[in-house]
Amino acid sequence: KAGVTQTPRYLIKTRGQQVTLSCSPISGHRSVSWYQQTPGQGLQFLFEYFSETQRNKGNFPGRFSGRQFSNSRSEMNVSTLELGDSALYLCASRENYGYTFGSGTRLTVV
Amino acid sequence: GDSVTQMEGPVTLSEEAFLTINCTYTATGYPSLFWYVQYPGEGLQLLLKATKADDKGSNKGFEATYRKETTSFHLEKGSVQVSDSAVYFCALSDQVSEKLVFGKGTKLTVNP
Repeated sequence: KAGVTQTPRYLIKTRGQQVTLSCSPISGHRSVSWYQQTPGQGLQFLFEYFSETQRNKGNFPGRFSGRQFSNSRSEMNVSTLELGDSALYLCASRENYGYTFGSGTRLTVV
Repeated sequence: GDSVTQMEGPVTLSEEAFLTINCTYTATGYPSLFWYVQYPGEGLQLLLKATKADDKGSNKGFEATYRKETTSFHLEKGSVQVSDSAVYFCALSDQVSEKLVFGKGTKLTVNP
């Protein structure tokens, strides 16, 4: 089985721009979650999608949004980027208490 | 809300030393508990898990027991190797939302 695939691996954006990150879950997994990892705040839950519906949302501003497609692939979007959005963004697909993470997208905002 | 507290690092050990990383949690209900490991430049890998009280999770020589009475899930390994150098995260899965709540992570360095 292929693992969770996140693209791109690295991204550099300028303050004020927007960015879209992609995540393809393990085949057959319908749940996709996103987490932000920073040195200061650690790992924080962004949101979870299940069968194209947002099921849970963390405490992030509305600039952070996501969606899930019928093939379970998910995208997250961050608009009006701020320097503090620089982080490793991790996607996880889940089935029966098993969370499998991708390698992440390292976003740097300059 | 739910939270996880784990011992702060960094932890530096010599090869073949005994490892303990403490983890305690606060949660309503009966969460599932996990240990994840992160190697440099990579995502998180599930190391072991336990879904109910007194369960022992084990993998690659690592063990942790779900202790409901002390709300703890300490990670142990009898003899660490250089290849175990990584950051270790304790986490719980909220019983209602099933999202993961992580501790801050403990960086382990094992010297030859």
